[in-house]
Amino acid sequence: TQLLEQSPQFLSIQEGENLTVYCNSSSVFSSLQWYRQEPGEGPVLLVTVVTGGEVKKLKRLTFQFGDARKDSSLHITAAQPGDTGLYLCAGYQAGTALIFGKGTTLSVSS
Amino acid sequence: NAGVTQTPKFRVLKTGQSMTLLCAQDMNHEYMYWYRQDPGMGLRLIHYSVGEGTTAKGEVPDGYNVSRLKKQNFLLGLESAAPSQTSVYFCASSYLRAGTGELFFGEGSRLTVL
Repeated sequence: TQLLEQSPQFLSIQEGENLTVYCNSSSVFSSLQWYRQEPGEGPVLLVTVVTGGEVKKLKRLTFQFGDARKDSSLHITAAQPGDTGLYLCAGYQAGTALIFGKGTTLSVSS
Repeated sequence: NAGVTQTPKFRVLKTGQSMTLLCAQDMNHEYMYWYRQDPGMGLRLIHYSVGEGTTAKGEVPDGYNVSRLKKQNFLLGLESAAPSQTSVYFCASSYLRAGTGELFFGEGSRLTVL
């Protein structure tokens, strides 16, 4: 059972464009994390959100946790080639382990 | 700044062979995890440990065993490898429980089972 659905699965855009990646579930999560992974490396944490409706910004990246804590989005403004990578959302429910979505592969060309 | 170190980084096995993947962390983290990553499948949790001497099953534990005899090490064993276990394996550790704290990942171990 896939608890976290990420969309789109693949995204190919030009430098300077904006984009949004979605992470959806029918389950409520205590917290949700976003990781970024580059080829040949392990994922690296970008952000953790814990409160419904919470918005966090990391330079050109904006993360939002849904009011009901069932979904999240990642918005990138003016994408750059350095943003290329696999973006993974991961949700935590009390008493269970962290569950990852299948990921969104982003390619930004100059 | 070693962080999380996995060995070996690459391995090719024949069906039925056994092997052990070693994960070592130097951050004094209580929590350690083994994930596998397959194309289009994201990261799936195999086993995890909440402290020295403890282990627990994750989403996909069948065919794998683990041990945490020392706090800094978490071993993943395949007793009889199968082609379905061809994957990239990632070890991770965290100070706080995953989901509240940051997971620190190793660089991965690519395993091919022929």
